[in-house]
Amino acid sequence: QQQVKQSPQSLIVQKGGISIINCAYENTAFDYFPWYQQFPGKGPALLIAIRPDVSEKKEGRFTISFNKSAKQFSLHIMDSQPGDSATYFCAASRNNAGNMLTFGGGTRLMVKP
Amino acid sequence: NAGVTQTPKFQVLKTGQSMTLQCAQDMNHEYMSWYRQDPGMGLRLIHYSVGAGITDQGEVPNGYNVSRSTTEDFPLRLLSAAPSQTSVYFCASNQFQGGGYTFGSGTRLTVV
Repeated sequence: QQQVKQSPQSLIVQKGGISIINCAYENTAFDYFPWYQQFPGKGPALLIAIRPDVSEKKEGRFTISFNKSAKQFSLHIMDSQPGDSATYFCAASRNNAGNMLTFGGGTRLMVKP
Repeated sequence: NAGVTQTPKFQVLKTGQSMTLQCAQDMNHEYMSWYRQDPGMGLRLIHYSVGAGITDQGEVPNGYNVSRSTTEDFPLRLLSAAPSQTSVYFCASNQFQGGGYTFGSGTRLTVV
């Protein structure tokens, strides 16, 4: 049972374009939604996170949009750069469940120069 | 350097062998967890701990044991390795509920 569904599985974007990755969740008890970035051979690193009391959070070129009623959230990477090429994971957690993360399946992003 | 340290980085086991994956963090984090990463399936939680002496099962605990005798260390034991346990294993720690986890660099395990 996959509680967090992520799409697309892979994405190719031209340099300077906008990369958009979408996630949908089922459990309405989730109250923390982070995005992780992973480079080959490395562990995931926290990129940006949002809580359900806000609809959008922006940090530099990275923006999370959150739609509580639709149980969906997305990551937008503006002005995508070749250095952004990595695998991105969305995740969700519940504060009263040890805050353990449930991950989406991942999106492999390639930004072409 | 502060962070989460995992050893070994690579390991090949024969079916039926046992081994321990080591994880240590020097950030005085209370929460620690183990995940396995398989292609197309994201990361799945194996076991987790909310403090020394307290552990619980995650989504895929079968075939694995953990213990947490100190705040710093959270080893993962494979009791009798099976080819289905071929995966990349990540240890992670967090200082408080609701925050982001810090991940180690992973252990790539192959069971033949």
